[in-house]
Amino acid sequence: VQLVESGGDLVQPGGSLRLSCAASGFSVGGHYMSWVRQAPGKEPEWVSVIYGGDSTYYADSVKGRFTISRDNSRNSLYLQMNGLRAEDTAVYYCARAPSRWEFLIFDFWGPGTLVTVSS
Amino acid sequence: EIVLTQSPGTLSLSPGERATLSCRASQSVSNRYLAWYQQKHGQAPRLLIYGATSRAAGIPDRFSGSGSGTDFTLTITRLEPEDFAVYYCQHYDRSPPAPFGGGTKVEIK
Repeated sequence: VQLVESGGDLVQPGGSLRLSCAASGFSVGGHYMSWVRQAPGKEPEWVSVIYGGDSTYYADSVKGRFTISRDNSRNSLYLQMNGLRAEDTAVYYCARAPSRWEFLIFDFWGPGTLVTVSS
Repeated sequence: EIVLTQSPGTLSLSPGERATLSCRASQSVSNRYLAWYQQKHGQAPRLLIYGATSRAAGIPDRFSGSGSGTDFTLTITRLEPEDFAVYYCQHYDRSPPAPFGGGTKVEIK
């Protein structure tokens, strides 16, 4: 099982960015998949989850600005981030849940990609 | 939303010693939905414990979790050099949110 994120960058406040996560060794379509972020020196923060027939949940802090999606044919997960703010600066991790019964804990993580929002 | 408070902030111990980390929830945690993670510098977190007491796959038995209600504990019976890291607890349920605690750093004394 492997997850590899990409797409992190330096972006100005109000800007947009799309993160990607390539999975191998399992099918993203068969698992609950989340994005989790971690600001410098802080604890991790769950951001969003996608599951089933593309059902989704979002943290209140990103609702209406971020969109999670997946492409089963590419075995990849995505996070479209719009209206970025300084407080969105963090390492963003793609993470897999071990089961549908405990879908907000994460047994596999990618190495992360850094998003910096600054002018 | 449940708030998790971890203590102490930093634990200074020597290899071979026992580490006891605390996680206190602001409200009772249903079904013992409490997880523990280990994070080393520059790496992603690693799942250690879920359901308050169940070890994740591949986790050595020197790591154990206990507790219920609002008070939970992660115990490392004999610290190995690779165990010096930051540890986070996380509350989860059948719907979001899924907050993490502020972390405990276990450092070499």
